Amino acid sequence: DVKVTQSSRYLVKRTGEKVFLECVQDMDHENMFWYRQDPGLGLRLIYFSYDVKMKEKGDIPEGYSVSREKKERFSLILESASTNQTSMYLCASSLSQGAIGADTQYFGPGTRLTVL
Amino acid sequence: AQKVTQAQTEISVVEKEDVTLDCVYETRDTTYYLFWYKQPPSGELVFLIRRNSFDEQNEISGRYSWNFQKSTSSFNFTITASQVVDSAVYFCALASGNTPLVFGKGTRLSVIA
Repeated sequence: DVKVTQSSRYLVKRTGEKVFLECVQDMDHENMFWYRQDPGLGLRLIYFSYDVKMKEKGDIPEGYSVSREKKERFSLILESASTNQTSMYLCASSLSQGAIGADTQYFGPGTRLTVL
Repeated sequence: AQKVTQAQTEISVVEKEDVTLDCVYETRDTTYYLFWYKQPPSGELVFLIRRNSFDEQNEISGRYSWNFQKSTSSFNFTITASQVVDSAVYFCALASGNTPLVFGKGTRLSVIA
């Protein structure tokens, strides 16, 4: 079974803090993704990575950055957290079989981040 | 641009009823992939099915079935004899080529005992 883990289930931070959300997958997947989920808006893609040190912006990258130094780990960074970044953050990974859209994504349990 | 519409925001049914969750998609690509995910109260998205655009056969897996119709750009999901454990938010999603998943806004299903 694919296993995607996220460092925290719940996180509370203060405005202006630098926040790191960590995601690890154990299935040697090439692709990794970060989404945020908000009520009424569904899941929106923040960033994704198709290889180590490679990254692509998703639909809502503003206010976020990412890091992928190792294949199994994909970090989401909030450089200066703001209250409008309070959300559920979901990480996913997929095996690369050519086109990134063709691959099934497997999700972690999510991190519910509250910024006060 | 790709788009997925799940018009039903919330559905409530009584246990053992059948229920269909609607999904309508938009894409200009000829090769694309459709997915359904389940998100139970625990929060983790669970993969249910993947279907490519060249395979219009309907699929059945236990109490779950999926009806893919390219003519109406729909990929509907039916749960037969619903159970309380089916209560969750269900997401339909679309991807193609090098474009990652685009999700619908989800349908919250409540199954009442």
